[in-house]
Amino acid sequence: DAGITQSPRHKVTETGTPVTLRCHQTENHRYMYWYRQDPGHGLRLIHYSYGVKDTDKGEVSDGYSVSRSKTEDFLLTLESATSSQTSVYFCAISELDTAYEQYFGPGTRLTVT
Amino acid sequence: GIQVEQSPPDLILQEGANSTLRCNFSDSVNNLQWFHQNPWGQLINLFYIPSGTKQNGRLSATTVATERYSLLYISSSQTTDSGVYFCAVGSPPTIFGAGTRLFVKA
Repeated sequence: DAGITQSPRHKVTETGTPVTLRCHQTENHRYMYWYRQDPGHGLRLIHYSYGVKDTDKGEVSDGYSVSRSKTEDFLLTLESATSSQTSVYFCAISELDTAYEQYFGPGTRLTVT
Repeated sequence: GIQVEQSPPDLILQEGANSTLRCNFSDSVNNLQWFHQNPWGQLINLFYIPSGTKQNGRLSATTVATERYSLLYISSSQTTDSGVYFCAVGSPPTIFGAGTRLFVKA
């Protein structure tokens, strides 16, 4: 299994509070991704990173920011959480050498009340 | 952007039956993967298959890139095959289909 961990695994927070989710990898892969999964929508890409300090938006980036100051960590921040951001968040990694084949972390279940 | 459609959306099988899941995509791609999400939510890589055919045990996959579709075959299904099967296309950014939910009855 790819060495990907996510923290926290579960979080309940209130509307309007800031939330940061962490993805940590031990594979030294260049690419890292944040997805959200909601019923009926499959997985949708929020942001991705192609190197330290290099990030780009996905299809559902509004309300989210990311940072990558080290190869191994990719942070997803909800500046002011809303109930519509209640979801399961998955991190993934990939490497150009393997044609971007993606491997996923265990997920974080976030509930915004 | 690329559209990805999976069919059928839901599938119920008796243990031991075979099935075919389909993934259609709207534009040429250089990257296609199949994933299985088990009932505990874990996403597991099945195949990386931008073209051609691959087999892994009871599972096999075929992608016909020129006709913009991929098929996942499950033979002699087992209850542990239950879950949701996703196809995903594109090098970053990646687009996922909505999935096929499979339930295998004992």
